[in-house]
Amino acid sequence: EAGVTQFPSHSVIEKGQTVTLRCDPISGHDNLYWYRRVMGKEIKFLLHFVKESKQDESGMPNNRFLAERTGGTYSTLKVQPAELEDSGVYFCASSPGYEQYFGPGTRLTVT
Amino acid sequence: GQNIDQPTEMTATEGAIVQINCTYQTSGFNGLFWYQQHAGEAPTFLSYNVLDGLEEKGRFSSFLSRSKGYSYLLLKELQMKDSASYLCAVPGNTGKLIFGQGTTLQVKP
Repeated sequence: EAGVTQFPSHSVIEKGQTVTLRCDPISGHDNLYWYRRVMGKEIKFLLHFVKESKQDESGMPNNRFLAERTGGTYSTLKVQPAELEDSGVYFCASSPGYEQYFGPGTRLTVT
Repeated sequence: GQNIDQPTEMTATEGAIVQINCTYQTSGFNGLFWYQQHAGEAPTFLSYNVLDGLEEKGRFSSFLSRSKGYSYLLLKELQMKDSASYLCAVPGNTGKLIFGQGTTLQVKP
């Protein structure tokens, strides 16, 4: 069974540019979460999808972040325009119930 | 609010036993997770405790005391490959995980 995959693994962009991160969850998992780890800090929740609906987006930092989940399958997280403080590792996790399976993350560097 | 504390770093010797502690304060309680994360890789599930007591799974065991807001992860017969970050997390409402900062464990020969 394939695990959670994320693309790209690394992204380096300049301040003001746009970046789109993609997450492909484990097939059949209705729950999809996005998290972020900023250097030196703990992993923090961004938002939660149940199928294609946003269940909880209380962790989204501001309106420069837009997440979508097309047809309840893969999800994208777009940052526009990117700021320096957006640098970090963005993790996606999917879950059929309580246990969450994490992807390897996308390391985003904004210069 | 919710708060989770765990030591930032620990060092132990190959073959030894190490205990990684985690204390938490939550408005509700829906269990506690431990994840292992090797550098540059995905966090992987180790254990989930919802009732008090010790749960053993091979070389790894996890303990929970709900009255004390306390958990620990016990690693026995340490191997070099156990060098990693160990993350304590509690589920918030809607199932999102609230993580501690993680404990970086270095296993030395």
